[in-house]
Amino acid sequence: DAGVIQSPRHEVTEMGQEVTLRCKPISGHDYLFWYRQTMMRGLELLIYFNNNVPIDDSGMPEDRFSAKMPNASFSTLKIQPSEPRDSAVYFCASSLGTATEAFFGQGTRLTVV
Amino acid sequence: AQSVTQPDIHITVSEGASLELRCNYSYGATPYLFWYVQSPGQGLQLLLKYFSGDTLVQGIKGFEAEFKRSQSSFNLRKPSVHWSDAAEYFCAVGASSSNTGKLIFGQGTTLQVKP
Repeated sequence: DAGVIQSPRHEVTEMGQEVTLRCKPISGHDYLFWYRQTMMRGLELLIYFNNNVPIDDSGMPEDRFSAKMPNASFSTLKIQPSEPRDSAVYFCASSLGTATEAFFGQGTRLTVV
Repeated sequence: AQSVTQPDIHITVSEGASLELRCNYSYGATPYLFWYVQSPGQGLQLLLKYFSGDTLVQGIKGFEAEFKRSQSSFNLRKPSVHWSDAAEYFCAVGASSSNTGKLIFGQGTTLQVKP
């Protein structure tokens, strides 16, 4: 398997624009996680899914953020409208059941100017 | 709720010296514990994990970690550091009792290796 695949790797957008980050988990994995990494706050869990169903979205910063998982092989994280403080590296990770490690994608570096 | 503390934000060691990175967790039951490494511009790679059994866990790249329930710790060690070990290291805890698969990460420790 190619691992967790995220796109794009880098995104630069203007404040107020909509941003969509994409993730393809490892085939067969039933958990999918979205994390945000910043210097100030470290790695924060934003939301995670089990079998395509959102389980815990308590880490989502505000209503501007939304995430979907329409099927087992694809998830999106959308920010609308984007703000400069959303600039961060966003990681997607997947795992197979509980009691297993999460496998991370390479991340998307988002810059909002 | 789960939480993880990595007390050392930045550590510098000389190449060939031993290394210990500290990790303390907070969780009501026996947790699942992980150490990940992140090189600049890269994602996180698993070094090792503890679920149950032997409290001394061996990982990749010569790393090991010891689970100490009495101290709520899971410190990472390496007997001899190589320059390529310079990276950021993250400790993470998973909830065993709730069966959620959720992982919470510490703030990370940046390791610098002096020649």
